[in-house]
Amino acid sequence: AQKITQTQPGMFVQEKEAVTLDCTYDTSDPSYGLFWYKQPSSGEMIFLIYQGSYDQQNATEGRYSLNFQKARKSANLVISASQLGDSAMYFCAMREAYGNNRLAFGKGNQVVVIP
Amino acid sequence: ETGVTQSPTHLIKTRGQQVTLRCSSQSGHNTVSWYQQALGQGPQFIFQYYREEENGRGNFPPRFSGLQFPNYSSELNVNALELDDSALYLCASSLYRTSGFTDTQYFGPGTRLTVL
Repeated sequence: AQKITQTQPGMFVQEKEAVTLDCTYDTSDPSYGLFWYKQPSSGEMIFLIYQGSYDQQNATEGRYSLNFQKARKSANLVISASQLGDSAMYFCAMREAYGNNRLAFGKGNQVVVIP
Repeated sequence: ETGVTQSPTHLIKTRGQQVTLRCSSQSGHNTVSWYQQALGQGPQFIFQYYREEENGRGNFPPRFSGLQFPNYSSELNVNALELDDSALYLCASSLYRTSGFTDTQYFGPGTRLTVL
């Protein structure tokens, strides 16, 4: 069963605008962590932001923020003030407490920032 | 940059051959995880190594094997290569804590394997 769902088609966003990338997850484990990674065309996965299931506040990291809605099992990434260098694939991933710390990834969202 | 390095960058093999991919973990990390990323897909967990032993395995056949060395670096070995093994292989290092959780996994640049 798919644990992480990312279904948005490729997105075009104007430079300096904000973009929201959707991620829904499925787990019965009360203790889990959610991650967002960026993968440019070079291939390296770059860690962006982390949200723990017990965290009371939404995570923020510079221009990245995570809109965590636990009851809806969603963890959307918001990128503010988009830059040309933000053009990449973005992956949502989940780590479950009983999952040997493996990350389960979604299929990714493609973002293209246009000037 | 994360400090995680992988070699080689690219590799071309033929069906039936064997391949070894290498990963050096970030300073201070004691755990290495390997992932396979097919074109257009998200990475799939292969296995994780901690204290030189396999510490969890995904849905991959035994011809995928690994090693971790005392300096925490790691190797991924794939025997009897198949066409479907063509993918980007990513390693990630992290710190395994006594709580049983690892901290954030930081990825290397990957090795792109092509099987002909």
